[in-house]
Amino acid sequence: DAGVIQSPRHEVTEMGQEVTLRCKPISGHDYLFWYRQTMMRGLELLIYFNNNVPIDDSGMPEDRFSAKMPNASFSTLKIQPSEPRDSAVYFCASSSQAGTDTQYFGPGTRLTVL
Amino acid sequence: LAKTTQPISMDSYEGQEVNITCSHNNIATNDYITWYQQFPSQGPRFIIQGYKTKVTNEVASLFIPADRKSSTLSLPRVSLSDTAVYYCLVGFYNTDKLIFGTGTRLQVFP
Repeated sequence: DAGVIQSPRHEVTEMGQEVTLRCKPISGHDYLFWYRQTMMRGLELLIYFNNNVPIDDSGMPEDRFSAKMPNASFSTLKIQPSEPRDSAVYFCASSSQAGTDTQYFGPGTRLTVL
Repeated sequence: LAKTTQPISMDSYEGQEVNITCSHNNIATNDYITWYQQFPSQGPRFIIQGYKTKVTNEVASLFIPADRKSSTLSLPRVSLSDTAVYYCLVGFYNTDKLIFGTGTRLQVFP
């Protein structure tokens, strides 16, 4: 298996633009997680899905952030409009169970908002 | 909801045993503790998981005392390649909440 795939690996955009991050989980995994990592705040869980349904989105910072999982093999995290404080590394991870199983992380997307 | 804290950094020398503690109050019997290792420019990688007493695998041990207010990751005989950031993750079984610790930066010296 290729592991969790994220795209793009790097994204540079200007404030106010829409940003879409993409993730393909490991085949057969029912859970998909989106994380944000910054030096100041560390690793933060934004949202996670079980069988394509959002289970906990309490970590989504504000309405500018939205996440979708239209099918078992694809998810997007969208920021609209983007702001400089959104600059971070965004990780996607997948697992067979939520808290009781290993999460496999993707390589991350480094987002820079100018 | 429990808060999960770790020491910011630790230093060690090659060949020594390193113990990294994660403090997490108010966790229940079925809540799991998982530890991850992260190298620069990579996603975190699973090390070990457990929910009570002691778990050991080929790379580490995890100790969880009876009061479950903390857990300790033990790395035996560290090497330079163990230099990384280590995170604990608490999975709350009844609420489906997941909380990562603040991370501990381990530096191993020759």
